[in-house]
Amino acid sequence: AQKVTQAQTEISVVEKEDVTLDCVYETRDTTYYLFWYKQPPSGELVFLIRRNSFDEQNEISGRYSWNFQKSTSSFNFTITASQVVDSAVYFCALSELMIYNQGGKLIFGQGTELSVKP
Amino acid sequence: NAGVTQTPKFQVLKTGQSMTLQCAQDMNHEYMSWYRQDPGMGLRLIHYSVGAGITDQGEVPNGYNVSRSTTEDFPLRLLSAAPSQTSVYFCASSLDRGSDQPQHFGDGTRLSIL
Repeated sequence: AQKVTQAQTEISVVEKEDVTLDCVYETRDTTYYLFWYKQPPSGELVFLIRRNSFDEQNEISGRYSWNFQKSTSSFNFTITASQVVDSAVYFCALSELMIYNQGGKLIFGQGTELSVKP
Repeated sequence: NAGVTQTPKFQVLKTGQSMTLQCAQDMNHEYMSWYRQDPGMGLRLIHYSVGAGITDQGEVPNGYNVSRSTTEDFPLRLLSAAPSQTSVYFCASSLDRGSDQPQHFGDGTRLSIL
């Protein structure tokens, strides 16, 4: 069965520290997609990144970077020089492969609550 | 663009009452879904639809009904509310039914069942 584990329930850092959020997944599919979403205190869910299983290149977007390693089934997210505005709950999610036109169904991890203190 | 709009934002019900959570999207997205978010459990899929007239069950469908008569709307119905359905509900949509599509979420409906 597909599963996503975010073992870190809560992380607290001081502003300007780097922080890495861990995500480990399980799937039998050879083709799959991984996502990260941010949920700020206001409650909405914001899409951050998508990665397909055939693309293991790391990605950097400003202060955000993602490290995808198929060998360890991990898709970790690093925030460099964290800021107070980064305080949020971050979710890692796995999309099940479309079978018989069932569509994309996201399997979410439990979420990691990041608190960045000034 | 409004994106995905959910109404109401907050609702308190008594056990046994029924209600409908509304979800509308203006992006002509084919795929729509409902999730519930509970503390420590992430989001779990309730029902989804791959197009008008087509719906199917997700991980936690019991106690909920859906229908999809138009591309834009995907209401979620609670027939007889139970305290276990106290949760935050999110509606989402994506361009098509492909598993590679990022889903766009509404702002959520916070529902309390007394």
